[in-house]
Amino acid sequence: AQSVTQPDIHITVSEGASLELRCNYSYGATPYLFWYVQSPGQGLQLLLKYFSGDTLVQGIKGFEAEFKRSQSSFNLRKPSVHWSDAAEYFCAVGPGGFQKLVFGTGTRLLVSP
Amino acid sequence: EAGVAQSPRYKIIEKRQSVAFWCNPISGHATLYWYQQILGQGPKLLIQFQNNGVVDDSQLPKDRFSAERLKGVDSTLKIQPAKLEDSAVYLCASSEKGTSRVETQYFGPGTRLLVL
Repeated sequence: AQSVTQPDIHITVSEGASLELRCNYSYGATPYLFWYVQSPGQGLQLLLKYFSGDTLVQGIKGFEAEFKRSQSSFNLRKPSVHWSDAAEYFCAVGPGGFQKLVFGTGTRLLVSP
Repeated sequence: EAGVAQSPRYKIIEKRQSVAFWCNPISGHATLYWYQQILGQGPKLLIQFQNNGVVDDSQLPKDRFSAERLKGVDSTLKIQPAKLEDSAVYLCASSEKGTSRVETQYFGPGTRLLVL
């Protein structure tokens, strides 16, 4: 069965520092991978997605992610974190068939001054 | 463009009571999804509609949960009777066609349910 692992429940980063959120997936074929962000009291917003081609994907709000097939990973990065980036981040895999997404358990990002 | 609308935003009920949630997707979106997000977990798909037909309801607890999308636009998710473990945020999402694996799903703000 398809699954997504986000090993970090919480991460604290200083404002202006770089960020990397980890995501590992389990899927037998080429995965379709997504990163969503959820701010308190709000729904999920798509940051970026990967389905083929260049393994480095650019998204909104200055985020990027790199697909590494050999490591079954799709880590999210940002070179300089802003206080407004504090939120919960979800990695998801879309294994197929009418867009059924399987989500990880999320990583809560805290940004310190 | 208006986003996905959901109501109510919060609901508190006692176990064994009934509750209903409403979702209005983005105009013109053919596909509608209901997700359950339990505290500390990622969202889990409950049911997916393509227009007014059900595409996937494999994870919907059909003994107590039901959903409909009669006119292929807005949708209602019902729980009857509710259990303590149903406490969660219920998210509605929509996508334009639902036929592409890389199509973006747009999420509403969710309904937070607390069952006492």
